[in-house]
Amino acid sequence: AQKVTQAQTEISVVEKEDVTLDCVYETRDTTYYLFWYKQPPSGELVFLIRRNSFDEQNEISGRYSWNFQKSTSSFNFTITASQVVDSAVYFCALSEAQETSGSRLTFGEGTQLTVNP
Amino acid sequence: KAGVTQTPRYLIKTRGQQVTLSCSPISGHRSVSWYQQTPGQGLQFLFEYFSETQRNKGNFPGRFSGRQFSNSRSEMNVSTLELGDSALYLCASSLGRRAEAFFGQGTRLTVV
Repeated sequence: AQKVTQAQTEISVVEKEDVTLDCVYETRDTTYYLFWYKQPPSGELVFLIRRNSFDEQNEISGRYSWNFQKSTSSFNFTITASQVVDSAVYFCALSEAQETSGSRLTFGEGTQLTVNP
Repeated sequence: KAGVTQTPRYLIKTRGQQVTLSCSPISGHRSVSWYQQTPGQGLQFLFEYFSETQRNKGNFPGRFSGRQFSNSRSEMNVSTLELGDSALYLCASSLGRRAEAFFGQGTRLTVV
């Protein structure tokens, strides 16, 4: 069975601080996909990134960066120089590639990030 | 390109009633998935439809059902509503199995 754990329930930082959101996953599949989504108060889940299990390259997109480490089953997300607009709930998710899984996403519990001015 | 559209945005229903929620996916997306989000259980997968066929189903009672039309629009139905069905119901569409899913703003259902 697949599982995603986000141990940090809430994080509070001051604007311009760097912050890392942790994500640990479990799966028996060798091929899988990892995702990060942002959920602002409006409720919509906003797609941030998708990573497949064969690509362990770290990725940077502006102030966002992701560190995928297969050896520790982790897919952590760092926001550099945080801004108030980054305040939201962030979800890590896993999708297995096997036929029977379809497009099903298994989500972590979410991390509420608050960036204070 | 229009995003995923869910209607209605808010609903208040009474215990025992039934409800139908609608989801219009992004044009060209054939996969539509539904999720329930509650403070206690988090985000949980309900079911997925692809080309009008249910491809996958989560661990929810039979009161929760869905369908997909030939234009990929989807509906989900909850019968005999219970207080515990109060939640944000999110719909997501994608191109297929390995693609990223894009979510709508959700329908907030309150059962009283």
